[in-house]
Amino acid sequence: DTGVSQDPRHKITKRGQNVTFRCDPISEHNRLYWYRQTLGQGPEFLTYFQNEAQLEKSRLLSDRFSAERPKGSFSTLEIQRTEQGDSAMYLCASSLEMGGAKNIQYFGAGTRLSVL
Amino acid sequence: GDSVTQMEGPVTLSEEAFLTINCTYTATGYPSLFWYVQYPGEGLQLLLKATKADDKGSNKGFEATYRKETTSFHLEKGSVQVSDSAVYFCALAPGGGKLIFGQGTELSVKP
Repeated sequence: DTGVSQDPRHKITKRGQNVTFRCDPISEHNRLYWYRQTLGQGPEFLTYFQNEAQLEKSRLLSDRFSAERPKGSFSTLEIQRTEQGDSAMYLCASSLEMGGAKNIQYFGAGTRLSVL
Repeated sequence: GDSVTQMEGPVTLSEEAFLTINCTYTATGYPSLFWYVQYPGEGLQLLLKATKADDKGSNKGFEATYRKETTSFHLEKGSVQVSDSAVYFCALAPGGGKLIFGQGTELSVKP
Protein backbone atom coordinates (compact mmCIF):
# COMPACT_ATOMS: atom_id res chain seq x y z
CA ASP A 1 0.00 0.00 0.00
CA THR A 2 1.36 3.40 -0.99
CA GLY A 3 -0.48 5.44 1.62
CA VAL A 4 -2.59 8.54 1.05
CA SER A 5 -1.65 10.32 -2.14
CA GLN A 6 -2.35 13.97 -2.94
CA ASP A 7 -1.95 15.80 -6.21
CA PRO A 8 -0.55 18.29 -6.97
CA ARG A 9 2.04 18.83 -4.24
CA HIS A 10 2.25 22.51 -4.99
CA LYS A 11 -0.15 24.89 -6.72
CA ILE A 12 0.43 28.55 -7.48
CA THR A 13 -2.54 30.48 -8.78
CA LYS A 14 -3.73 34.02 -9.25
CA ARG A 15 -6.47 35.50 -7.14
CA GLY A 16 -9.88 34.82 -8.64
CA GLN A 17 -8.91 31.57 -10.34
CA ASN A 18 -10.44 28.18 -9.52
CA VAL A 19 -8.28 25.31 -8.29
CA THR A 20 -8.95 21.62 -7.75
CA PHE A 21 -6.98 19.17 -5.63
CA ARG A 22 -7.18 15.40 -5.67
CA CYS A 23 -6.76 12.88 -2.87
CA ASP A 24 -6.43 9.11 -3.24
CA PRO A 25 -6.94 7.38 0.11
CA ILE A 26 -5.55 4.06 1.27
CA SER A 27 -7.48 1.59 -0.83
CA GLU A 28 -9.64 -0.17 1.76
CA HIS A 29 -10.38 2.95 3.81
CA ASN A 30 -14.01 4.05 3.85
CA ARG A 31 -13.50 7.48 5.44
CA LEU A 32 -11.76 10.43 3.85
CA TYR A 33 -11.05 13.78 5.51
CA TRP A 34 -9.90 17.20 4.37
CA TYR A 35 -8.00 19.62 6.62
CA ARG A 36 -6.35 22.99 6.10
CA GLN A 37 -3.10 23.99 7.78
CA THR A 38 -1.62 27.47 7.82
CA LEU A 39 1.94 28.28 8.82
CA GLY A 40 2.61 27.74 12.49
CA GLN A 41 -0.82 26.29 13.19
CA GLY A 42 -2.30 22.85 13.56
CA PRO A 43 -4.56 21.36 10.90
CA GLU A 44 -8.16 22.58 10.91
CA PHE A 45 -10.95 20.23 9.93
CA LEU A 46 -12.86 21.07 6.75
CA THR A 47 -15.04 18.08 5.87
CA TYR A 48 -15.20 14.32 5.77
CA PHE A 49 -16.84 11.50 3.81
CA GLN A 50 -17.88 8.01 4.65
CA ASN A 51 -17.86 6.19 1.36
CA GLU A 52 -19.49 8.71 -1.02
CA ALA A 53 -21.59 10.50 1.62
CA GLN A 54 -20.36 13.83 2.96
CA LEU A 55 -21.14 13.53 6.68
CA GLU A 56 -19.84 16.78 8.14
CA LYS A 57 -18.74 20.19 6.92
CA SER A 58 -16.97 22.81 8.99
CA ARG A 59 -18.20 26.39 9.00
CA LEU A 60 -14.70 27.12 7.66
CA LEU A 61 -15.87 25.59 4.39
CA SER A 62 -17.37 28.63 2.70
CA ASP A 63 -19.59 28.54 -0.36
CA ARG A 64 -16.49 28.82 -2.53
CA PHE A 65 -15.30 25.43 -1.35
CA SER A 66 -16.78 22.16 -2.53
CA ALA A 67 -15.64 18.60 -1.99
CA GLU A 68 -16.77 15.41 -3.67
CA ARG A 69 -16.12 11.72 -3.41
CA PRO A 70 -18.31 10.42 -6.20
CA LYS A 71 -17.49 6.71 -6.14
CA GLY A 72 -16.36 6.40 -2.57
CA SER A 73 -12.72 6.20 -3.58
CA PHE A 74 -10.74 9.33 -4.52
CA SER A 75 -11.93 12.81 -3.55
CA THR A 76 -11.58 16.28 -5.02
CA LEU A 77 -11.56 19.63 -3.24
CA GLU A 78 -12.36 22.64 -5.39
CA ILE A 79 -11.88 26.26 -4.42
CA GLN A 80 -13.63 28.79 -6.62
CA ARG A 81 -12.59 32.43 -6.97
CA THR A 82 -9.50 31.96 -4.83
CA GLU A 83 -8.47 34.64 -2.37
CA GLN A 84 -5.08 35.29 -0.82
CA GLY A 85 -6.43 34.04 2.50
CA ASP A 86 -6.89 30.60 0.92
CA SER A 87 -3.10 30.17 0.81
CA ALA A 88 -2.40 27.16 3.02
CA MET A 89 -1.47 23.50 3.04
CA TYR A 90 -4.49 21.31 2.27
CA LEU A 91 -4.22 17.90 3.91
CA CYS A 92 -6.14 14.75 3.14
CA ALA A 93 -6.45 11.80 5.50
CA SER A 94 -8.20 8.45 5.42
CA SER A 95 -9.26 5.85 7.95
CA LEU A 96 -11.05 2.53 8.19
CA GLU A 97 -14.06 2.86 10.46
CA MET A 98 -15.70 -0.31 11.69
CA GLY A 99 -18.43 -0.65 14.29
CA GLY A 100 -17.87 2.72 15.95
CA ALA A 101 -14.21 2.07 16.75
CA LYS A 102 -12.14 5.24 16.54
CA ASN A 103 -9.54 4.17 14.02
CA ILE A 104 -6.44 6.03 13.09
CA GLN A 105 -6.33 8.72 10.42
CA TYR A 106 -3.46 8.43 7.96
CA PHE A 107 -2.38 11.67 6.34
CA GLY A 108 -1.05 12.51 2.92
CA ALA A 109 1.85 14.91 2.36
CA GLY A 110 -0.54 17.71 1.43
CA THR A 111 -1.05 20.20 -1.38
CA ARG A 112 0.50 23.60 -0.77
CA LEU A 113 -1.59 26.38 -2.34
CA SER A 114 -0.19 29.84 -2.93
CA VAL A 115 -2.59 32.51 -4.14
CA LEU A 116 -0.86 35.54 -5.65
CA GLY B 1 -16.48 24.09 21.94
CA ASP B 2 -13.86 21.37 21.96
CA SER B 3 -10.26 22.56 21.84
CA VAL B 4 -6.64 21.59 22.44
CA THR B 5 -3.92 23.80 23.91
CA GLN B 6 -0.22 22.95 23.64
CA MET B 7 2.80 24.58 25.16
CA GLU B 8 4.38 27.04 22.81
CA GLY B 9 7.63 26.31 21.08
CA PRO B 10 10.17 26.12 19.83
CA VAL B 11 11.65 23.79 22.41
CA THR B 12 15.40 23.31 22.14
CA LEU B 13 17.08 20.45 23.99
CA SER B 14 20.44 18.75 24.02
CA GLU B 15 20.65 15.12 22.99
CA GLU B 16 19.70 12.69 25.81
CA ALA B 17 17.71 15.37 27.67
CA PHE B 18 14.26 14.68 29.11
CA LEU B 19 11.34 15.95 27.07
CA THR B 20 7.91 17.11 28.19
CA ILE B 21 5.43 18.79 25.86
CA ASN B 22 2.30 19.87 27.67
CA CYS B 23 -1.15 19.36 26.19
CA THR B 24 -4.50 20.16 27.78
CA TYR B 25 -7.92 19.83 26.26
CA THR B 26 -11.51 20.95 26.59
CA ALA B 27 -14.16 18.51 25.49
CA THR B 28 -17.58 17.21 26.36
CA GLY B 29 -17.95 13.48 26.64
CA TYR B 30 -15.04 11.08 26.40
CA PRO B 31 -12.76 11.91 23.49
CA SER B 32 -9.86 9.85 22.24
CA LEU B 33 -6.50 11.63 22.40
CA PHE B 34 -3.57 11.49 20.01
CA TRP B 35 -0.08 12.76 19.42
CA TYR B 36 0.96 13.22 15.80
CA VAL B 37 4.45 14.12 14.59
CA GLN B 38 5.51 15.97 11.46
CA TYR B 39 9.14 15.53 10.43
CA PRO B 40 10.65 18.14 8.11
CA GLY B 41 9.27 17.76 4.59
CA GLU B 42 6.95 14.90 5.54
CA GLY B 43 3.27 14.39 6.30
CA LEU B 44 1.67 13.94 9.71
CA GLN B 45 2.27 10.56 11.32
CA LEU B 46 0.50 9.11 14.32
CA LEU B 47 2.91 8.80 17.23
CA LEU B 48 0.60 7.39 19.92
CA LYS B 49 -2.98 7.38 21.12
CA ALA B 50 -5.17 6.76 24.17
CA THR B 51 -8.88 6.08 24.02
CA LYS B 52 -10.01 6.31 27.65
CA ALA B 53 -9.04 7.79 31.00
CA ASP B 54 -5.81 6.46 32.55
CA ASP B 55 -4.75 4.80 29.29
CA LYS B 56 -1.08 5.23 28.48
CA GLY B 57 -0.05 5.45 24.85
CA SER B 58 3.56 4.69 23.95
CA ASN B 59 5.72 4.43 20.85
CA LYS B 60 9.41 4.93 19.99
CA GLY B 61 10.23 5.79 23.60
CA PHE B 62 7.51 8.46 23.80
CA GLU B 63 4.68 8.14 26.33
CA ALA B 64 1.52 10.05 27.21
CA THR B 65 -1.16 9.29 29.81
CA TYR B 66 -4.82 10.29 29.42
CA ARG B 67 -5.58 12.26 32.61
CA LYS B 68 -9.27 13.06 32.78
CA GLU B 69 -9.04 14.78 36.16
CA THR B 70 -6.58 17.36 34.81
CA THR B 71 -7.80 17.17 31.16
CA SER B 72 -4.22 16.61 30.06
CA PHE B 73 -2.23 14.38 27.73
CA HIS B 74 1.39 15.46 28.15
CA LEU B 75 4.03 13.91 25.88
CA GLU B 76 7.24 12.66 27.50
CA LYS B 77 10.46 10.99 26.45
CA GLY B 78 13.29 10.11 28.75
CA SER B 79 16.19 10.69 26.35
CA VAL B 80 15.70 12.59 23.10
CA GLN B 81 17.79 12.12 19.97
CA VAL B 82 18.62 14.50 17.15
CA SER B 83 16.28 12.44 14.95
CA ASP B 84 13.34 13.43 17.20
CA SER B 85 13.53 17.00 15.87
CA ALA B 86 10.09 17.64 14.43
CA VAL B 87 6.78 19.40 15.10
CA TYR B 88 4.49 17.58 17.55
CA PHE B 89 0.71 17.98 17.50
CA CYS B 90 -1.71 16.99 20.21
CA ALA B 91 -5.20 16.15 18.94
CA LEU B 92 -8.56 14.95 20.18
CA ALA B 93 -11.38 13.05 18.51
CA PRO B 94 -14.59 14.30 20.10
CA GLY B 95 -16.84 11.87 18.28
CA GLY B 96 -17.95 11.75 14.70
CA GLY B 97 -15.00 11.79 12.35
CA LYS B 98 -12.92 14.90 12.79
CA LEU B 99 -9.75 15.50 14.73
CA ILE B 100 -9.17 18.77 16.58
CA PHE B 101 -5.49 19.72 16.73
CA GLY B 102 -3.43 21.96 18.93
CA GLN B 103 -1.17 24.54 17.32
CA GLY B 104 1.89 22.32 17.36
CA THR B 105 5.18 22.44 19.27
CA GLU B 106 8.45 22.52 17.39
CA LEU B 107 11.23 20.46 18.96
CA SER B 108 14.85 20.96 18.05
CA VAL B 109 17.43 18.55 19.49
CA LYS B 110 21.09 19.58 19.33
CA PRO B 111 23.98 17.09 19.37
